[in-house]
Amino acid sequence: NAGVTQTPKFRILKIGQSMTLQCTQDMNHNYMYWYRQDPGMGLKLIYYSVGAGITDKGEVPNGYNVSRSTTEDFPLRLELAAPSQTSVYFCASSYGATGKSEQFFGPGTRLTVL
Amino acid sequence: AQTVTQSQPEMSVQEAETVTLSCTYDTSESDYYLFWYKQPPSRQMILVIRQEAYKQQNATENRFSVNFQKAAKSFSLKISDSQLGDAAMYFCAYRSAKYGGATNKLIFGTGTLLAVQP
Repeated sequence: NAGVTQTPKFRILKIGQSMTLQCTQDMNHNYMYWYRQDPGMGLKLIYYSVGAGITDKGEVPNGYNVSRSTTEDFPLRLELAAPSQTSVYFCASSYGATGKSEQFFGPGTRLTVL
Repeated sequence: AQTVTQSQPEMSVQEAETVTLSCTYDTSESDYYLFWYKQPPSRQMILVIRQEAYKQQNATENRFSVNFQKAAKSFSLKISDSQLGDAAMYFCAYRSAKYGGATNKLIFGTGTLLAVQP
């Protein structure tokens, strides 16, 4: 089991560029999440998905889009990169919907927008 | 809305000693889960320990234990016999016990950076 994998590990974007952060899990989890971690802060939820074809906004969704066409993949799209999106992005997944279900995290993607 | 507060930005402990990291939270819910996550320099988020609010008994995992005070809304992490590998950022997190959707999001504190001195 690879768990939750994310690509790329690092990326530098220019203002206005677009990119997709990839996230894949091999644990057959229904629930997947995207968080961002700003310097000196905890993680904040951007988007989440409760299954293939179903996504919804979290706390900080502006400037991002997601899709979930398969159980395994949950890509995060940045359409017009802005310096405020400089952050570390974490993808996570969990088997269940209850608070008891552990969320497993990927290694993160460090994104810098200049 | 729920909030999680970690008031110690940095802590230091000598190897083999014991250290306690503090966390307080605010919620109007009666049923929830609390977590401590470790984030080493590799950035990987690792679950250290979990506490279910309806359980009075404090959770323990080897050298890690918690002091859960529900009435005071306090959830501290004690690390015994500290090791060099314990050096990391530690995050306290809250998660609702309600079913489904964004209520399953983890609400994180700002973290405590733990240094372990040899």
